[in-house]
Amino acid sequence: DTGVSQDPRHKITKRGQNVTFRCDPISEHNRLYWYRQTLGQGPEFLTYFQNEAQLEKSRLLSDRFSAERPKGSFSTLEIQRTEQGDSAMYLCATGQGSRQRAFFGQGTRLTVV
Amino acid sequence: QQPVQSPQAVILREGEDAVINCSSSKALYSVHWYRQKHGEAPVFLMILLKGGEQKGHDKISASFNEKKQQSSLYLTASQLSYSGTYFCGTEGETSGSRLTFGEGTQLTVNP
Repeated sequence: DTGVSQDPRHKITKRGQNVTFRCDPISEHNRLYWYRQTLGQGPEFLTYFQNEAQLEKSRLLSDRFSAERPKGSFSTLEIQRTEQGDSAMYLCATGQGSRQRAFFGQGTRLTVV
Repeated sequence: QQPVQSPQAVILREGEDAVINCSSSKALYSVHWYRQKHGEAPVFLMILLKGGEQKGHDKISASFNEKKQQSSLYLTASQLSYSGTYFCGTEGETSGSRLTFGEGTQLTVNP
């Protein structure tokens, strides 16, 4: 399978714990996006990378959130001191540039209890 | 700003047609349409670029009116497999290729 891969698919954590998600993009895609989706809503943009450079961060991304893409390949999204409001589906999408389709991964569903 | 989709929900019988609209208040560079089934990732349907083109494949097509900053998705002779939530994602001229998604239109096709 050469699609976008996310790991884990599901994560249950206690409030206050840190969690890290991983996204492996389609190999030739230089752009990588993170979105968050809550029930009944469309995906909300969090941040995006072009190669290893983080070019934009949403105001939704509080200081507890950090994302990296160290070698321009896989990316990680870390949430520190999780809160119940962080419960959502975290989606990774990759693409080759502006006005190009984005390929979504299957997402990581986070539940904070 | 988030694009506005209408209707919020639609129920069809197999074989009927539907139109889903997406409207933005800002100048758009492109409009992307996705379908998402419950618990799954969004699946790409098509992309429309600035220029007012219309696209389609099989019985699903879409148009983009750049003057009105509106796009419409047309589903004809609907099939059961068309059920799901449809999202439009808009790319603004200054948004750096990230997409802003609408709240979605829930489509249910019944036998």
